[in-house]
Amino acid sequence: EADIYQTPRYLVIGTGKKITLECSQTMGHDKMYWYQQDPGMELHLIHYSYGVNSTEKGDLSSESTVSRIRTEHFPLTLESARPSHTSQYLCASTVSLEQFFGPGTRLTVL
Amino acid sequence: AQSVTQLDSQVPVFEEAPVELRCNYSSSVSVYLFWYVQYPNQGLQLLLKYLSGSTLVKGINGFEAEFNKSQTSFHLRKPSVHISDTAEYFCAVTFSYNTDKLIFGTGTRLQVFP
Repeated sequence: EADIYQTPRYLVIGTGKKITLECSQTMGHDKMYWYQQDPGMELHLIHYSYGVNSTEKGDLSSESTVSRIRTEHFPLTLESARPSHTSQYLCASTVSLEQFFGPGTRLTVL
Repeated sequence: AQSVTQLDSQVPVFEEAPVELRCNYSSSVSVYLFWYVQYPNQGLQLLLKYLSGSTLVKGINGFEAEFNKSQTSFHLRKPSVHISDTAEYFCAVTFSYNTDKLIFGTGTRLQVFP
């Protein structure tokens, strides 16, 4: 079983708040990803990283930012949350073409 | 453009019946194909993958899939489903020239009834 963790699992916040979604993996994987998932829709890649100090924007434009200071940690930050950011956010890491996913954070912005 | 199409958004089936979840992809280059399962309130878990070799791929939980290059399909099958198979199933593809990204289909909701 993959060891990739996301916190919090659920978050309800008001508009304008700054939030950070945490993602950690203990497998030593270099490549990590953030996806946004809406009900009935495919996963959309919003950020990825090849390793420490590497961050890239994904296919779906996002107002969030990421950082990769340590191999095991890939947090996602929203400086000012809006209702349009309401979604599920999934973190993943990969080795040998297989992506391992965390349980997700379900974000609701009121 | 490369894409993945899952033809059925929902598939209802009775327990112990066979099931097939359909997946087609569009690509002009070699691909690697995956099926993931997502149980409620959880992340995605890999069911099986096709990288090369035999076109019939066996995965976990009794699932299998067949890669058909001429029809650009990668349908998922199980001969006898259980209540516990109720979940969302995602087909995904990555490309031999750039394996950094996975492209996902929109998912198929498998609902197994007793």
